[in-house]
Amino acid sequence: KAGVTQTPRYLIKTRGQQVTLSCSPISGHRSVSWYQQTPGQGLQFLFEYFSETQRNKGNFPGRFSGRQFSNSRSEMNVSTLELGDSALYLCASSPRDRGTETQYFGPGTRLLVL
Amino acid sequence: AQTVTQSQPEMSVQEAETVTLSCTYDTSESDYYLFWYKQPPSRQMILVIRQEAYKQQNATENRFSVNFQKAAKSFSLKISDSQLGDAAMYFCAYSDPGTYKYIFGTGTRLKVLA
Repeated sequence: KAGVTQTPRYLIKTRGQQVTLSCSPISGHRSVSWYQQTPGQGLQFLFEYFSETQRNKGNFPGRFSGRQFSNSRSEMNVSTLELGDSALYLCASSPRDRGTETQYFGPGTRLLVL
Repeated sequence: AQTVTQSQPEMSVQEAETVTLSCTYDTSESDYYLFWYKQPPSRQMILVIRQEAYKQQNATENRFSVNFQKAAKSFSLKISDSQLGDAAMYFCAYSDPGTYKYIFGTGTRLKVLA
């Protein structure tokens, strides 16, 4: 099976712009989670989707949003970018609907905001 | 709220030696899962080992084993016969069925010295 894929891998944006990141989970996986990874804060949970529904959300401002499509692919959007949004954004998928499943991570999208 | 603490930002080990990475967590739940993930430099995060809280037996995967102390809320990772390829960031993570989200520690950077 193909692993979790994320596009694009690298992105440079300027403050005030918006960005959309995409994640394709492993085939058959219905849960997709997003994380922000920075050197100072580690991995911070953004949100988790299952069957097109957001089940949980981390402590991020409303500028961060996401969605999941019927094929389980997910996108996250960040509007009005700030310098502090520069980070590695990781997507992870898991097969079933229990929060105890192992998560499989994608390679990440590295976002640089100038 | 659940928390995960990794108190060792960085550790070093000689090749072929054994090293133990520490992790403590806090939760009021009785049913949960604990994980150790490995993130090599510029590579994808992968699962190293997982432990179900209801299992008293410590999980092992080849050279990797855990010391799970439920009452003390401690979950350390032991790496035996360390290899150069073990050099990475190691993250401890907690998950429970009720929240559908993972909580990660801040990570421990492991250096393996030849």
